[in-house]
Amino acid sequence: AQKITQTQPGMFVQEKEAVTLDCTYDTSDPSYGLFWYKQPSSGEMIFLIYQGSYDQQNATEGRYSLNFQKARKSANLVISASQLGDSAMYFCAMRESFYNQGGKLIFGQGTELSVKP
Amino acid sequence: SQTIHQWPATLVQPVGSPLSLECTVEGTSNPNLYWYRQAAGRGLQLLFYSVGIGQISSEVPQNLSASRPQDRQFILSSKKLLLSDSGFYLCAWSVQTTGNTIYFGEGSWLTVV
Repeated sequence: AQKITQTQPGMFVQEKEAVTLDCTYDTSDPSYGLFWYKQPSSGEMIFLIYQGSYDQQNATEGRYSLNFQKARKSANLVISASQLGDSAMYFCAMRESFYNQGGKLIFGQGTELSVKP
Repeated sequence: SQTIHQWPATLVQPVGSPLSLECTVEGTSNPNLYWYRQAAGRGLQLLFYSVGIGQISSEVPQNLSASRPQDRQFILSSKKLLLSDSGFYLCAWSVQTTGNTIYFGEGSWLTVV
């Protein structure tokens, strides 16, 4: 069965510094997608970045990059130049092939990031 | 562009009362639709998903049910709420391929008292 693990319940980072949020996954499906979402205190789930299992290069979106190590089954999120507005809960998620149960998204338990001024 | 809306945003209901949360998607057709629940301080738990009208798959046995009466409408219901049903409920949608992102609605805060 697929599984997502985020081992850091909480993280602190100084403003303007970079931070890495860890995520490991487990799946037997060769076709899958990995996602990171940000959830501020308002509750909305904001999509940040996506990495496909067949993508050769690590995904990047502005200050966000995904360090994808397929052999190690890890998909860590790197936030560069942290800002106070980055303080939020961050979730790693995985989506298996559509033909496997509708391509549902399975989430990790989340990491709460606090950016200090 | 596509948008997703769910309502009500906040709900306080007594134990044993019924529930209806509604979600609609605009700007796309034949989406996958999902209902997730998030208990306080925890990750998201998939409750139901749907790949088409009238097609509902349940992930967790509980006193909740879901229906999809129209292509872009997804409803979460309960006949009798329990205290343990309290939480943050999120509707989500995606197009029907693996690589596409799942987008979430604004969420509904349910407190059962």
